[in-house]
Amino acid sequence: SSELTQPPSVSVSPGQTASITCTGDTLADKYVYWYQQKPGQSPVLVIYQDDKRRPGIPERFSGSNSGNTATLTISGTQAMDEADYHCQAWDSNTVVFGGGTKVTVI
Amino acid sequence: EVQLLESGGGLVQPGGSLRLSCAASGFTFNSYAMNWVRQAPGKGLEWVSGMSGTALHTYYADSVKGRFTISRDSSKNTVYLQMNSLRAEDTAVYYCAKDVWETSPYYFDYWGQGTLVTVSS
Repeated sequence: SSELTQPPSVSVSPGQTASITCTGDTLADKYVYWYQQKPGQSPVLVIYQDDKRRPGIPERFSGSNSGNTATLTISGTQAMDEADYHCQAWDSNTVVFGGGTKVTVI
Repeated sequence: EVQLLESGGGLVQPGGSLRLSCAASGFTFNSYAMNWVRQAPGKGLEWVSGMSGTALHTYYADSVKGRFTISRDSSKNTVYLQMNSLRAEDTAVYYCAKDVWETSPYYFDYWGQGTLVTVSS
């Protein structure tokens, strides 16, 4: 099954843009999903099918997928966005997750 | 409102067994695949197993194949994970996750609160 690679951490200042990457072989041929997980909480789906925001998710969250890299972008990052973000793809009836990225708002 | 409530976690010795349960409510249980996803302490998410809504098809990660068994009881709206031959590396929080699809694991729109499994002597 395919592997997905994420940077372990990303730091961003309040109000700035955070970009979280997820890389994998021919990733653009698959749909990518993004989950947000705040400390001590369960994951929450934020982006599905590369770039669709789940209802209720703020518009500052967006997604894209091209070539070997999918990207979750948080525009105008707020303190409440500090969390771990996990990318996920589907491949041959199995689910693959990236290692997760901790976003710190400083 | 969709709710998923896991139970059954705890401390078990290496080589031992444990059965996790996930009671579901708020949706038509038989219409969706159900999955188990785990997270080792300080680590990322790892998909473990999934089962189709009809219970005809099961899917497993290579790391648990032959040791774990997923099942579901539509009369109780509950999905189970029987874990045998447990190893230290199985130590994790185990989440129950509802799929968006009926047939096979795809992606997950609702998650339970998780139950901690610790494998240690």
